[in-house]
Amino acid sequence: DTEVTQTPKHLVMGMTNKKSLKCEQHMGHRAMYWYKQKAKKPPELMFVYSYEKLSINESVPSRFSPECPNSSLLNLHLHALQPEDSALYLCASSQEEEVGTHRRYEQYFGPGTRLTVT
Amino acid sequence: GQSLEQPSEVTAVEGAIVQINCTYQTSGFYGLSWYQQHDGGAPTFLSYNALDGLEETGRFSSFLSRSDSYGYLLLQELQMKDSASYFCAVRKQKSYGGSQGNLIFGKGTKLSVKP
Repeated sequence: DTEVTQTPKHLVMGMTNKKSLKCEQHMGHRAMYWYKQKAKKPPELMFVYSYEKLSINESVPSRFSPECPNSSLLNLHLHALQPEDSALYLCASSQEEEVGTHRRYEQYFGPGTRLTVT
Repeated sequence: GQSLEQPSEVTAVEGAIVQINCTYQTSGFYGLSWYQQHDGGAPTFLSYNALDGLEETGRFSSFLSRSDSYGYLLLQELQMKDSASYFCAVRKQKSYGGSQGNLIFGKGTKLSVKP
């Protein structure tokens, strides 16, 4: 199973709502990531979890709150968002391995949650 | 600061060869990755170069020169389905276990393949 799943696929929420995005992988990867991607822009790293502990927070506003309940799950809790937070939110996990004489580092991305804040 | 530069758009015809260049300036470097993203889709992994030289995977090849802070993605025998955005990304750090590494993405190159 080389898949990262994300739910929901689409989410519309008001600025006073609280919602959560969910991400799951069963590849045994111990690093997981949240990215934000606006239209026609590259993915921007938000958070990195390594062995279920938050290791990187790229100065993300506190209205985004990540959580890693176990090694397979990653959540992103949303509260009091702004319309400019509307974007595609991507989850990823990663592994690194030796392949022959080369090193391979790959991030596996989920399909994303398309979030609209009204 | 840090920056990754790649062309914003490239157009080519089916069957042709295209090279997408990427120059980078980052604090910390462990490798250069390439990802493909179709409109409405998620990024998918194409290649990773940790050391200088050429890596080949089917129709795709990737090259890295760390001394020049430069890499490229070479796509051969272009097909219509190759029309997508291509991102170079620098791996800035790695954890002790090796599996973590935060990626900083370039702005992407939109490749259009014409019949």
